[in-house]
Formats: sequence, C-alpha cells, structure tokens
Amino acid sequence: AQTVTQSQPEMSVQEAETVTLSCTYDTSESDYYLFWYKQPPSRQMILVIRQEAYKQQNATENRFSVNFQKAAKSFSLKISDSQLGDAAMYFCAYRSAGWSSARQLTFGSGTQLTVLP
Amino acid sequence: EPEVTQTPSHQVTQMGQEVILRCVPISNHLYFYWYRQILGQKVEFLVSFYNNEISEKSEIFDDQFSVERPDGSNFTLKIRSTKLEDSAMYFCASSEVWAANNSPLHFGNGTRLTVT
Repeated sequence: AQTVTQSQPEMSVQEAETVTLSCTYDTSESDYYLFWYKQPPSRQMILVIRQEAYKQQNATENRFSVNFQKAAKSFSLKISDSQLGDAAMYFCAYRSAGWSSARQLTFGSGTQLTVLP
Repeated sequence: EPEVTQTPSHQVTQMGQEVILRCVPISNHLYFYWYRQILGQKVEFLVSFYNNEISEKSEIFDDQFSVERPDGSNFTLKIRSTKLEDSAMYFCASSEVWAANNSPLHFGNGTRLTVT
C-alpha cells in the first residue's frame, strides 16, 4: 500500500516571500500521479497542482511549482510571492496510474500554512 | 466553473440514527467518491462509484455505509446507524472520464456530521 508523509505539521511565511512544503511517499509502482490540494478555512478541497510520474519536467501553475524527485520519492511544493489568501492546510496526495489499480487518492496528514502580513 | 455541491453543510444527529448526505457531482463526470476527514486527521477514502456500482471501497466502508445514485444528478452516502466515531467532515468528489487517469478529483465543500 502507498503511504504519503508530510513531516511539517505547520509552516509560516512572510507575505511576498517563498515557502516550500515537503512531501515524501512510498510506493512500489513506477507510474502514478501526485497532487497538492489546498484546504482553506472554508474546508473545500481545491486542487493546486498535479504531476505525472512519467514526466521529468516539474509542473508549474503560476506562483506554484513542484520539485519532483522520483528516485527520492519526494514531491515538494514551492509557493512564490506568498499571499494572504494562500493561508490554508495543504495536502499532498498520491494516486495509482494503472488501469486496474485503485483510483482513489491517498492523502498525507497535511501542512498548515500561515502567511504573515 | 462547475462545482460539486453538498447538502447539508452541517448535520447533527443522535447516535443510532440514520443519516443521508447528499451530493450533486459535476454533470459530465462519471466517477464519484466519498472521503471523510475526522477533525485533525487525514482525509481518508471511503468509496468510489462508477457505472451505478461501487468500484472500490476502503475498510472503513463497512455494512453501515451505503451509496446510491437515485437519479441522474444526486449521489448519496447513507450511514444506517451512526456512531460517535462517525463524526467527521464528509467530502464528495467527482472526476471525468475513465480514460484520463490523471483527471483530478473535484471536491465539494463537505458536510460536517456531528453525532451526539
């Protein structure tokens, strides 16, 4: 079974600065997908960014980018030019890619990000 | 942008009572899911549903739980006899076609279930 670990329960960043959230995972599969979801106080789960394991290029989405290290099974999220609206709980998630494999997401325990004005 | 909608936003029920949580997935989505998040804990997978049947379920999804798509738009989670430990935030999600394995899950705002 796959596991996802987020070792930073809480992080804080000054507004306009850059912060990196860590995520590691354990899997025996070679093909899979990785996601970062954001959960603001409204509790909705919002997709931030996703990465296909077969792609070497790191995904980017505006101020959000990832550092995907497949060999190290590491998938960190970098938020540049942090804004007050980025304050939220961030979840890293894993999903198998095989046709007959489980399609559900396996989530990490989350990192609570505080943005300081 | 289309959204997954869940009702009610908060449900309070007494232990032993049946509760039904409702969800309207995005209209062209084919896969539907329920997840739950006990306060302060991880988001956990409960069940996925495709083509009018359960495709996968976790060990959490025991005989007390059931899902149904009673019409073309709603997707419901029923808990037959609630326990205190069922208190959690329940998230519904949906995703697009089967062929797109990386199609992201779109989540609703959740229903907070409190069992007293």
